[in-house]
Amino acid sequence: DGGITQSPKYLFRKEGQNVTLSCEQNLNHDAMYWYRQDPGQGLRLIYYSQIVNDFQKGDIAEGYSVSREKKESFPLTVTSAQKNPTAFYLCASTQGAGANVLTFGAGSRLTVL
Amino acid sequence: AQSVTQLDSHVSVSEGTPVLLRCNYSSSYSPSLFWYVQHPNKGLQLLLKYTSAATLVKGINGFEAEFKKSETSFHLTKPSAHMSDAAEYFCVVSVPQAGTALIFGKGTTLSVSS
Repeated sequence: DGGITQSPKYLFRKEGQNVTLSCEQNLNHDAMYWYRQDPGQGLRLIYYSQIVNDFQKGDIAEGYSVSREKKESFPLTVTSAQKNPTAFYLCASTQGAGANVLTFGAGSRLTVL
Repeated sequence: AQSVTQLDSHVSVSEGTPVLLRCNYSSSYSPSLFWYVQHPNKGLQLLLKYTSAATLVKGINGFEAEFKKSETSFHLTKPSAHMSDAAEYFCVVSVPQAGTALIFGKGTTLSVSS
C-alpha cells in the first residue's frame, strides 16, 4: 500500500545534539512538507519542498534543516539551535502544490532530556 | 490575510447525540476548506473537503460540513456521535492565490461519553 513512513516514532535527545527525522513516501507525490505540532497550537509549517533539490522555509524554520535529494525522501534535521525542540513532528505529501489533499505520516515524537 | 478560527478548543457530547464543531475562516479569495481528524499519537486523516462545488460536503464516517460564504463558516456536523469519534479535529483553509500552502486551525478536541 502507498503511504508515508516516518521514523523513528519516538526519539529522545540530549540538549546540544542534532537529530534527523526520516520521511519516506511511495505515493509518487511531488510536494512534501514538515509540520510541528504542539498542544493547543495546531500545526505549524517548518519546511516544504515542491520538487527535488528545492525547498522553502515555512513559518518556523529557525533551528531546522532539510534536504530533498530524492523525490521519495524528505528528512528533517533538528539542530541544537532549535530552542524548544520537544514536539510531535508530522511529515506530509501531496501530488502538487496548492489546494490538494495532504497525506500524512504517523508522526515522530521528539523529547529533549 | 487568510486565517482560520476553530471556535471551541474542546467539545463534549454523549454517544448517540449530534456533534457540531465550529470553524470560521477569513480570506480575500475563494478558499478551499478541509476538515482533518487526528487520533492520539497518529497522523491526520482527511474527513472531507470543499473546493467550490456543492456547498454541503459529505465526508467519511458520517460527517458532513456546510460552506456558508455569507457567514464565512465551515462547521462540521454528525447526527449521532460514536465512541470512536473521540479525537482532535482540524479545520484547514487553502488559498493558493495568496501564496500560502495550508493554514491550520488550532484544533478541537472531541470527547464522547457513554
